[in-house]
Amino acid sequence: DAKTTQPPSMDCAEGRAANLPCNHSTISGNEYVYWYRQIHSQGPQYIIHGLKNNETNEMASLIITEDRKSSTLILPHATLRDTAVYYCIVRVREAGTASKLTFGTGTRLQVTL
Amino acid sequence: DSGVTQTPKHLITATGQRVTLRCSPRSGDLSVYWYQQSLDQGLQFLIQYYNGEERAKGNILERFSAQQFPDLHSELNLSSLELGDSALYFCASTGGDRGYTGELFFGEGSRLTVL
Repeated sequence: DAKTTQPPSMDCAEGRAANLPCNHSTISGNEYVYWYRQIHSQGPQYIIHGLKNNETNEMASLIITEDRKSSTLILPHATLRDTAVYYCIVRVREAGTASKLTFGTGTRLQVTL
Repeated sequence: DSGVTQTPKHLITATGQRVTLRCSPRSGDLSVYWYQQSLDQGLQFLIQYYNGEERAKGNILERFSAQQFPDLHSELNLSSLELGDSALYFCASTGGDRGYTGELFFGEGSRLTVL
């Protein structure tokens, strides 16, 4: 799986958009970008994933650059409950078999009043 | 609610003892993963099962073992416990009926304290 680089921490004011960057310059053509988050001591939570097109769901938007070497997770209106560690993971999405999902150190997002 | 159930939520035991952590995956999910997260540490992948068979192994100690049963629930057995085994242990499942493995759904974890 391709390696990812994320800033260790970020702050965001409540109500503003939180833009979390991730670099994955060695990404392969069949690797997807996944985002998870972990609120303190809770189980990690899947947020969103994408291959090359921008994706949006009820939680967030994922913007992937045209060369796919970086991406940005956008929380459009951050709330205090979005304070968490956010993990960007790049891996192949395969059916029938499985391989380990490796979490790095992520970005600790602190949402403040 | 992810649909993944882990028991017990909290467990306190002594060094040298053995414990079993249980995980019930989401309905229909075939893959179960186990992760360990020590205090202020990242998530460490331990082991993964797919439809009853071991599929991937991470940094799992020899004192630890796991299995997945025919009903797809999984158990993680930790023996000869040491103080350093104190951690949160998470189970995750994925796969559903299509078997895609990217979107993992995690349980709330079992917090193990070894005294």
